[in-house]
Amino acid sequence: AQSVTQPDIHITVSEGASLELRCNYSYGATPYLFWYVQSPGQGLQLLLKYFSGDTLVQGIKGFEAEFKRSQSSFNLRKPSVHWSDAAEYFCAADNYGQNFVFGPGTRLSVLP
Amino acid sequence: EAGVVQSPRYKIIEKKQPVAFWCNPISGHNTLYWYLQNLGQGPELLIRYENEEAVDDSQLPKDRFSAERLKGVDSTLKIQPAELGDSAVYLCASSGQGSADTQYFGPGTRLTVL
Repeated sequence: AQSVTQPDIHITVSEGASLELRCNYSYGATPYLFWYVQSPGQGLQLLLKYFSGDTLVQGIKGFEAEFKRSQSSFNLRKPSVHWSDAAEYFCAADNYGQNFVFGPGTRLSVLP
Repeated sequence: EAGVVQSPRYKIIEKKQPVAFWCNPISGHNTLYWYLQNLGQGPELLIRYENEEAVDDSQLPKDRFSAERLKGVDSTLKIQPAELGDSAVYLCASSGQGSADTQYFGPGTRLTVL
């Protein structure tokens, strides 16, 4: 079955530190890949997406993600975390219009 | 430009009662989605519309859930009768054309079934 996994339920980093959130997918072919952020009391917002081409994708708010076909991964990174980045992060995949699936999410806490 | 509008924002009902949620997508968006999000989990797709056609409703529990998008614009999701396990946030999203386009999410309706 097609699935998206996020191995880390909760991550805590200090403000200014770098961040990497992991995402793995299990699909027959490389799906479209997405990262969304959900802040408390706010709706889900798209950070970035990958369809094809350059495997390093730039998004909003200083985030980037790298697609690695060999590892079936699409990890999200940010070089320096801000306190306002504390939120829930969801990786998602879509099989060309079929079976849009979200991962379980990773909750990010930021220490001052 | 207005975003995706959902109402009500909160709903508390007793089990076995019916409930309905309404969604108005971003103007011009042909694709509309309904998701269910349980606490601490990712959203789960219930149904996806392309205009007025439900193109993916494989995850919709059809014994108690129904949805419609009669004119290809706003949509209603209904539960009848509600069960305790239906307590969750129901999210609506829309995109221009298909899932390759960015999905824009509404604030959700938080349902509590007592």
